[in-house]
Amino acid sequence: NAGVTQTPKFRILKIGQSMTLQCAQDMNHNYMYWYRQDPGMGLKLIYYSVGAGITDKGEVPNGYNVSRSTTEYFPLRLELAAPSQTSVYFCASSYEIAGNNEQFFGPGTRLTVL
Amino acid sequence: QQQVKQSPQSLIVQKGGISIINCAYENTAFDYFPWYQQFPGKGPALLIAIRPDVSEKKEGRFTISFNKSAKQFSLHIMDSQPGDSATYFCAASLLSGGYNKLIFGAGTRLAVHP
Repeated sequence: NAGVTQTPKFRILKIGQSMTLQCAQDMNHNYMYWYRQDPGMGLKLIYYSVGAGITDKGEVPNGYNVSRSTTEYFPLRLELAAPSQTSVYFCASSYEIAGNNEQFFGPGTRLTVL
Repeated sequence: QQQVKQSPQSLIVQKGGISIINCAYENTAFDYFPWYQQFPGKGPALLIAIRPDVSEKKEGRFTISFNKSAKQFSLHIMDSQPGDSATYFCAASLLSGGYNKLIFGAGTRLAVHP
């Protein structure tokens, strides 16, 4: 199993540009998440999905959009990039059953907006 | 009330020493307390976790101590090794919006010197 994969690894955007961060998992997990990690701030949840076709906002959703048409893929869309979106983005997945809360993280995408 | 406060921000320990990282929470609805380990350039990975019905959990050199009445928990790394140098995140989980929401601490950067 590849686990959770993310592309690209690095990206530099200009203010106002748009891009899609890709995330895929091959563990048949029903739940998927997008986090951003800023220095000294831990991880903040942007969006999450409890299954194909179902998504919801997390703690910091402004400026982002998601979709989930299949179990495997959960892309994150940035529209009109702003310097405040400079961060490291992590996708994660989990198989949510009673007593099992482990989330599996991808390697991250480092995004810089100039 | 949903915050998890983690300290210290950074920690330097000599090889063979004990590393101790502390976390505190307010919300008594949290029911799962994991620690994640993150190496540079990688995503976080689950290290060890505890539920509030036990006061201690040990896995090899890693121990979680949990004090329910004080609403605090800590990670102890015995016989710390240079390979343990990483960023450690505590987290707390509660059922919210149909999924197990993870609230992360800000992280502790551990450096183990040989």
